[in-house]
Amino acid sequence: DTEVTQTPKHLVMGMTNKKSLKCEQHMGHRAMYWYKQKAKKPPELMFVYSYEKLSINESVPSRFSPECPNSSLLNLHLHALQPEDSALYLCASSLMGGVFRETQYFGPGTRLLVL
Amino acid sequence: SQELEQSPQSLIVQEGKNLTINCTSSKTLYGLYWYKQKYGEGLIFLMMLQKGGEEKSHEKITAKLDEKKQQSSLHITASQPSHAGIYLCGAPQGGKLIFGQGTELSVKP
Repeated sequence: DTEVTQTPKHLVMGMTNKKSLKCEQHMGHRAMYWYKQKAKKPPELMFVYSYEKLSINESVPSRFSPECPNSSLLNLHLHALQPEDSALYLCASSLMGGVFRETQYFGPGTRLLVL
Repeated sequence: SQELEQSPQSLIVQEGKNLTINCTSSKTLYGLYWYKQKYGEGLIFLMMLQKGGEEKSHEKITAKLDEKKQQSSLHITASQPSHAGIYLCGAPQGGKLIFGQGTELSVKP
């Protein structure tokens, strides 16, 4: 089973709202990723967690706050977002976090619209 | 830093025709991944190549990595409407995965 699940599928929020995106995998993977994808562009890495510790933060604004409560779960907390943050947010997981010889498996994404 | 360039950017083919998508790297590739994405959905893993000259096939899709490990091609034989989507190549760089800009494939019935 190579399934990564993400909820919600769609999210509309105002600039003053606080919301969270959730990602879950049960493949025993110890690395989890958040990507942001704008229309007609490739995914861009935001955060990497390896063994539940934040290992990469691609200089993402603090209005995005990741959390990895356990090895199966990854959250992305959103606060005071801007309209330009509207995008498809993708979660992925891989075995340990070393990209060499490790395939990342992606979830279906959450489409976020910030009004 | 490494860059991946895909060609063509978009492709429209008649159902049943063969097609090839290329991915060229500015540096030696130490792994090359192919993914497929339907609009607004997640990425589906297709294949991973590591060794120069390596070739892998899955159903009607074949991917190759050239001997110099700087270019990969994805070939679809007898295309079907189900092959339509965006094909992305990806490569590891500094602990993360970078992607090409994608190739949008449309298959006309």
